[in-house]
Amino acid sequence: GAVVSQHPSRVICKSGTSVKIECRSLDFQATTMFWYRQFPKKSLMLMATSNEGSKATYEQGVEKDKFLINHASLTLSTLTVTSAHPEDSSFYICSASSGNFNEQFFGPGTRLTVL
Amino acid sequence: GEDVEQSLFLSVREGDSSVINCTYTDSSSTYLYWYKQEPGAGLQLLTYIFSNMDMKQDQRLTVLLNKKDKHLSLRIADTQTGDSAIYFCAEEGENGANNLFFGTGTRLTVIP
Repeated sequence: GAVVSQHPSRVICKSGTSVKIECRSLDFQATTMFWYRQFPKKSLMLMATSNEGSKATYEQGVEKDKFLINHASLTLSTLTVTSAHPEDSSFYICSASSGNFNEQFFGPGTRLTVL
Repeated sequence: GEDVEQSLFLSVREGDSSVINCTYTDSSSTYLYWYKQEPGAGLQLLTYIFSNMDMKQDQRLTVLLNKKDKHLSLRIADTQTGDSAIYFCAEEGENGANNLFFGTGTRLTVIP
């Protein structure tokens, strides 16, 4: 099946720094990539949808200047959490879709801890 | 926005059936989905059901959909220890499959 990787799997950073998370589709071209945030005991929340070469579409309530998304190629999207604060600590998951049917393939997630 | 509800935990004995329930709010969702999340791995699409169907069977998995009550369930027959994971149901938002709303996830623990 289609494989999506994320890097890093875990990151700890100091408050005020920026963190970049990469999402790669390893064996297919992802026309669309999605970024989710997972809260403990709560839903997986869609943050934004990005199409290759276009600006990301952010969900209501998600700050686009805080969570910068770049989808520069058909196999790579990056999420940069700028000026991270402890409340940004969470599990961030990306998914990728090739456009066939409705299936999104999910990465393993990145756990961000902001001290 | 859409609100998808699931109970957080379920424990069953190996060999028994597991039933994971989900309620959703968006009746316009064309498909409804079940995903499985194992530790350290991404979410995997387990199965999905077209909204005009009320049942779908796929080997040990049976999905039941009650559209009137907006209730979706996933039944796993002969549950095995390898089925221990978190199961998420998901409905589509206004952009269809490009806009999935997930439930809270149900952690299934299978007791040997």
